[in-house]
Amino acid sequence: DIVLTQSPATLSLSPGERATLSCRASQSVTNYLVWYQQKPGQAPRLLIYDASNRATGIPARFSGSGSGSDFTLTISSLEPEDFAVYYCQQRSSWPLTFGGGTKVEIK
Amino acid sequence: QVQLVESGGGVVQPGRSLTVSCAASGFTFSTYAMQWVRQAPGKGLEWVASISYDGRNEYYADSVKGRFTISRDTSKNTLYLQMNSLRAGDTAVYYCARDARGYGDYHYFDYWGQGTLVTVSS
Repeated sequence: DIVLTQSPATLSLSPGERATLSCRASQSVTNYLVWYQQKPGQAPRLLIYDASNRATGIPARFSGSGSGSDFTLTISSLEPEDFAVYYCQQRSSWPLTFGGGTKVEIK
Repeated sequence: QVQLVESGGGVVQPGRSLTVSCAASGFTFSTYAMQWVRQAPGKGLEWVASISYDGRNEYYADSVKGRFTISRDTSKNTLYLQMNSLRAGDTAVYYCARDARGYGDYHYFDYWGQGTLVTVSS
């Protein structure tokens, strides 16, 4: 199984700051890496697919990069509604796997 | 608009069975692969099972293989997860989710239901 390791576990930032989240795969997933956002009590929301493609309706401040086994989700300037937990997921091979999540909290 | 509404969760004793459902609307159900993803209380996301758009292929996480069965009823626009031999470790919110593209298995999910809580406890 492909293990996805997200870091840091928690990111404490202020609104307006830049957030950089990492997702590392135990083996190459080429570019088949997806990012979701989840707020408390809500279902996950698709942000980025195939490493760098924003999903419909996702603001341009969210961007994804990377390939192979190292990926990054960047939020260029944090808005109050961006404080949440972010998960990466690989769709390269079965079983589908998720990372453990990065919580972005208000500093 | 696309809607996925799960139902059927509840409290069940270890070793017993339970079936959860997901009613889909607002899209052509028969053209999208569907899946179940669960989240234990305070924990991360875990993929559970997927079924292809035509129902011909099913895929399962090792943790549920042989105990859970995913199925779909196109006439009712409903996705199911039959769960047998339930364990305490199966306690979670179960989400159904739609593949982001139709007519294929793309394995990333653009619409999710609100989830249904399954608690396995004596």
